[in-house]
Amino acid sequence: DAGVTQSPTHLIKTRGQQVTLRCSPKSGHDTVSWYQQALGQGPQFIFQYYEEEERQRGNFPDRFSGHQFPNYSSELNVNALLLGDSALYLCASSSWGRAGTYSDTQYFGPGTRLTVL
Amino acid sequence: EDKVVQSPLSLVVHEGDTVTLNCSYEVTNFRSLLWYKQEKKAPTFLFMLTSSGIEKKSGRLSSILDKKELFSILNITATQTGDSAVYLCAVLMEYGNKLVFGAGTILRVKS
Repeated sequence: DAGVTQSPTHLIKTRGQQVTLRCSPKSGHDTVSWYQQALGQGPQFIFQYYEEEERQRGNFPDRFSGHQFPNYSSELNVNALLLGDSALYLCASSSWGRAGTYSDTQYFGPGTRLTVL
Repeated sequence: EDKVVQSPLSLVVHEGDTVTLNCSYEVTNFRSLLWYKQEKKAPTFLFMLTSSGIEKKSGRLSSILDKKELFSILNITATQTGDSAVYLCAVLMEYGNKLVFGAGTILRVKS
């Protein structure tokens, strides 16, 4: 049973550039949530996708956008990168039952380490 | 503003010691409380607690929730060096499944 996968593992960008991160949820899960984790802090909720729509959003600017595909995988896009966007970006999957069983528990992928120079 | 506070921020113990990690919360629309272990990157799920006073146990780890006093504890007995990690407490919010995390407790177990 494949867990949550994310790509790429690491990414280095310069200020002003744009980045796209990818996530495939755990088998049987239909909901993807994205979190940003700065060094020494707990993860902060960016947004959640279900049925290909943004279901809930945290306190992040519009530079952060996302997408969910019919196969439940998801992308996180960040435009006009700032130095402060350097962080570990975590994807978590859960399920409202559309793709299989219902699961409140969010399971995390290994993350993408983004460095903005 | 929804808030989750963990204590201590860090601690160092010797193998075989017992540790207790604390998590208090102040949130609207509580659904459940989760504990995760983060070693390098991916937080690994440990427990989900929804009801007060019912202990969840897995090997040397156990956890309990007090919904009246708004806190949870995670106990680790007979600690091993492999328990060294950041332990994250998070509250799962109703109406959206957003997780609100604490800053974590860094545990280091010395041999």
